[in-house]
Amino acid sequence: SQTIHQWPATLVQPVGSPLSLECTVEGTSNPNLYWYRQAAGRGLQLLFYSVGIGQISSEVPQNLSASRPQDRQFILSSKKLLLSDSGFYLCAWSVHQVSNEKLFFGSGTQLSVL
Amino acid sequence: ILNVEQSPQSLHVQEGDSTNFTCSFPSSNFYALHWYRWETAKSPEALFVMTLNGDEKKKGRISATLNTKEGYSYLYIKGSQPEDSATYLCAPWRGGADGLTFGKGTHLIIQP
Repeated sequence: SQTIHQWPATLVQPVGSPLSLECTVEGTSNPNLYWYRQAAGRGLQLLFYSVGIGQISSEVPQNLSASRPQDRQFILSSKKLLLSDSGFYLCAWSVHQVSNEKLFFGSGTQLSVL
Repeated sequence: ILNVEQSPQSLHVQEGDSTNFTCSFPSSNFYALHWYRWETAKSPEALFVMTLNGDEKKKGRISATLNTKEGYSYLYIKGSQPEDSATYLCAPWRGGADGLTFGKGTHLIIQP
């Protein structure tokens, strides 16, 4: 069966510090991968998605970047965090290139930038 | 960016009562509509994926309907139980691999 791992669960970082959140998927090949964020008082916002190794698309301009160094690994990074980067980050995967497939979410990372 | 509206934003329902809430989305370029349940301290979990106008899906006491022509979906919960307390998210899919656009959700609290 497929599983998705996301870590860390919580993170408190000072403004200007770097960030690295990691997500890995097991039990499937070539998944679509996604990073979502929920900021306070807002809905889930799509940040990045990837349909394959090294292929990253960004939905919104921001202080963050994403990378997919391996088929089932998705990393969210920042060189210098801003206060506005605080929020709850969720990684998700879906079956590759199949329409109407549901998303499977990781357990999330609560990021507080102080 | 798709405009997805969910109402109400929050809802308090007495245990045993039935309830429903709404998701509105642009009817153009529609491919599918997803519903997710997000319980506190857990990950969002898919309830339904609906594609056809007039579609109705059911999972236990929870059901959903879809009107793609006018751009709305209803989620119904029959005989609410405490374990139904969660945020319910809807998300239309517009095709492609670029993920779903989520509404802000309806936060449902079931009061014993």
